[in-house]
Amino acid sequence: GESVGLHLPTLSVQEGDNSIINCAYSNSASDYFIWYKQESGKGPQFIIDIRSNMDKRQGQRVTVLLNKTVKHLSLQIAATQPGDSAVYFCAENILTGGGNKLTFGTGTQLKVEL
Amino acid sequence: DAGITQSPRHKVTETGTPVTLRCHQTENHRYMYWYRQDPGHGLRLIHYSYGVKDTDKGEVSDGYSVSRSKTEDFLLTLESATSSQTSVYFCAVHQGVGNTGELFFGEGSRLTVL
Repeated sequence: GESVGLHLPTLSVQEGDNSIINCAYSNSASDYFIWYKQESGKGPQFIIDIRSNMDKRQGQRVTVLLNKTVKHLSLQIAATQPGDSAVYFCAENILTGGGNKLTFGTGTQLKVEL
Repeated sequence: DAGITQSPRHKVTETGTPVTLRCHQTENHRYMYWYRQDPGHGLRLIHYSYGVKDTDKGEVSDGYSVSRSKTEDFLLTLESATSSQTSVYFCAVHQGVGNTGELFFGEGSRLTVL
């Protein structure tokens, strides 16, 4: 598989704790904000998204919060598991006729300690 | 995996040589994308396609060209590879229904230009 030797901000959490990964975005015109997970040697995998007119959305064990006032996005993972260890990317999407042309952040490495 | 296959998965080439990366999909997705991933930059869009023979530039298109002669194949060509194009390249697809930001990524192609 493929991976990139990224020098990333790292968040270390104990197994079972909650994780909060933060992201600052730049474009106030973005229509959707998205979180992706990338495991070592694999391509990014969609986790959850939120529309710009919402401030919270929940999925299975994950919650995304959007604060448009300060252009801040966060991903909360409940009861973090070893399988959650990965790099997490936020992304912005402005809807156009060209489909999903996403702008990605630089990523955060999540390490789950047993 | 949304039926995406990238080839080759690994390639080492010399500066000035042409290189073509192939993305093949089996699920009739309309939109296809090529991203590159580098340390400190996250994923950046190179080119994308919104149908057969319909392509457009992304954020970092200089030095790259693409072609889509049939729905299932999206080719990325480096006419004359340079060391700055050493990267991991990801193909992604989107069906085009309910644009929100969900892309399905391939496993990546690692290109090294010496």
